[in-house]
Amino acid sequence: EAGVTQFPSHSVIEKGQTVTLRCDPISGHDNLYWYRRVMGKEIKFLLHFVKESKQDESGMPNNRFLAERTGGTYSTLKVQPAELEDSGVYFCASSQDWTQATQYFGPGTRLLVL
Amino acid sequence: GDSVTQMEGPVTLSEEAFLTINCTYTATGYPSLFWYVQYPGEGLQLLLKATKADDKGSNKGFEATYRKETTSFHLEKGSVQVSDSAVYFCALSGAAGSARQLTFGSGTQLTVLP
Repeated sequence: EAGVTQFPSHSVIEKGQTVTLRCDPISGHDNLYWYRRVMGKEIKFLLHFVKESKQDESGMPNNRFLAERTGGTYSTLKVQPAELEDSGVYFCASSQDWTQATQYFGPGTRLLVL
Repeated sequence: GDSVTQMEGPVTLSEEAFLTINCTYTATGYPSLFWYVQYPGEGLQLLLKATKADDKGSNKGFEATYRKETTSFHLEKGSVQVSDSAVYFCALSGAAGSARQLTFGSGTQLTVLP
């Protein structure tokens, strides 16, 4: 069974540009989460999808971040325009259903904004 | 809100030494507790978990016991190897029926020297 995959693995962009990150969860997992780790600090929750619906987006830092999960399969996280403080590692995770606490993580996307 | 306090690193040990990484938490109800590990150049992997008080999670020689009375979930290993060098994250997830996003500690960098 394939794990959670993320693309790209690395991205280097200039301040003001747009970047789109993609996450493919484990097949059959309705729950999809985005997290990020900035500057070696703790990993922080961004948002949670159940199928195609946003269940909780309380962790989204501001309106420059837009997450979508059309069709309830893969998800994208777009940052527009990117700022220096957006640099970090963006992780995606999935879990099978609401009762399952265990989340399985992808390898992360390392974003560097110059 | 929920929070996790994790022993600050970095931690450097010699091979075959005993490892303890302290983790305490603040949460309402009965959260599930996790240890995740990130090896160099890789994503987060679930190391072990415990879902109720007095449960012991174990994997790859690592153990952690869910202590409700001390709100702790310390990670231990009797004899570390060079291959255990990684960043270790303690995390919790809300009880069933509540928010399921993970709250992480700040991570502990472990280096094991031969």
